[in-house]
Amino acid sequence: DSGVTQTPKHLITATGQRVTLRCSPRSGDLSVYWYQQSLDQGLQFLIQYYNGEERAKGNILERFSAQQFPDLHSELNLSSLELGDSALYFCASSYSSGRSNEKLFFGSGTQLSVL
Amino acid sequence: LAKTTQPISMDSYEGQEVNITCSHNNIATNDYITWYQQFPSQGPRFIIQGYKTKVTNEVASLFIPADRKSSTLSLPRVSLSDTAVYYCLVGDIIGTGGFKTIFGAGTRLFVKA
Repeated sequence: DSGVTQTPKHLITATGQRVTLRCSPRSGDLSVYWYQQSLDQGLQFLIQYYNGEERAKGNILERFSAQQFPDLHSELNLSSLELGDSALYFCASSYSSGRSNEKLFFGSGTQLSVL
Repeated sequence: LAKTTQPISMDSYEGQEVNITCSHNNIATNDYITWYQQFPSQGPRFIIQGYKTKVTNEVASLFIPADRKSSTLSLPRVSLSDTAVYYCLVGDIIGTGGFKTIFGAGTRLFVKA
């Protein structure tokens, strides 16, 4: 158990809908990272937050947004969903930010199916 | 951004030593090299990290030559349960103090009995 909690584990929705994925980092960790992993694809970095502030951005679509709250949990909002958004979404956390030797701890993911 | 290149897949047999090499030709001076393991439908798990020379823990060894343009993850005496995808990561520290973590495609290791 990495200590990172993601909910829900599974989510089934329809095209055009909006969903929210939730992540609670390990106790004491201030950074949260979001990733998308499609079938047979590698991990695509979406965005990183540190202590409530956005710190790094990857190839995140404009239909996607995220935020980190004062209690350090984070939410990833996906809107106007398309079939291609079906994927496993991972959250990871680390203690700090801006250090190359950060160790990331990953949650077990949210499997999103868009029908 | 230090891009990494790894073999797409490797096969091995139980009890053998497996070496997976990652190329990172434009690694920056302050960059560390970190390896993760991922099983199907699970989040990646930290294996080992290093900056130069050799690092060893209870799971693996990491060899980094002096020029640091590549690194080799060594798994001693693999078992069937080592079948997984292995990612080499060289994170990019950006101006905002963020850590842009670009994972490559990874290496799919298949261990056979």
